[in-house]
Amino acid sequence: KAGVTQTPRYLIKTRGQQVTLSCSPISGHRSVSWYQQTPGQGLQFLFEYFSETQRNKGNFPGRFSGRQFSNSRSEMNVSTLELGDSALYLCASSLRAADNTGELFFGEGSRLTVL
Amino acid sequence: AQKITQTQPGMFVQEKEAVTLDCTYDTSDPSYGLFWYKQPSSGEMIFLIYQGSYDQQNATEGRYSLNFQKARKSANLVISASQLGDSAMYFCAMREGRGATNKLIFGTGTLLAVQP
Repeated sequence: KAGVTQTPRYLIKTRGQQVTLSCSPISGHRSVSWYQQTPGQGLQFLFEYFSETQRNKGNFPGRFSGRQFSNSRSEMNVSTLELGDSALYLCASSLRAADNTGELFFGEGSRLTVL
Repeated sequence: AQKITQTQPGMFVQEKEAVTLDCTYDTSDPSYGLFWYKQPSSGEMIFLIYQGSYDQQNATEGRYSLNFQKARKSANLVISASQLGDSAMYFCAMREGRGATNKLIFGTGTLLAVQP
């Protein structure tokens, strides 16, 4: 069974550009959540989706947005990139909207560098 | 207030010895779940073990066990017989049961170095 797949794995952008990251959850999983990991702030929750609906959103500016498609794949977009957006972006998938079994798995992440 | 506290920024352990990584949590929700993840230098978050707040027994997964002390709000990870490949960052995380959400709150992590 394939795991959570995130693309691209690495990317470099310049300030002011925008970026789109993709996450394909484990087959059958309908919940996808996104996290940003930086050395200074640690792991911070961005947003989560279940059946194409955003269920929860973290404390990030409106430049960060996301969506989920009918096949459960999810994308997140960051517009007008800033240097501080350089981070590892991690996606997690789960079968249920509220997992209570520990079935919450992460992808390998997309490492974004903003120059 | 920190909801997940990992007080050990870094730890050393000798190969083949056991090691305990500390995690305390804070929640008023009676229903919650506690996770431990391992993050090697490659960046991926590898799921290790899960403990639900209503689980009667401490969770175990191979060499990993979770020492769950509900009254003390602690969920320490015990790794038995450490291996060199266990060297990584370890994160404790909590999912609060309030609402239909899979949002995890993470601790700051513990960097474990296994020495030969």
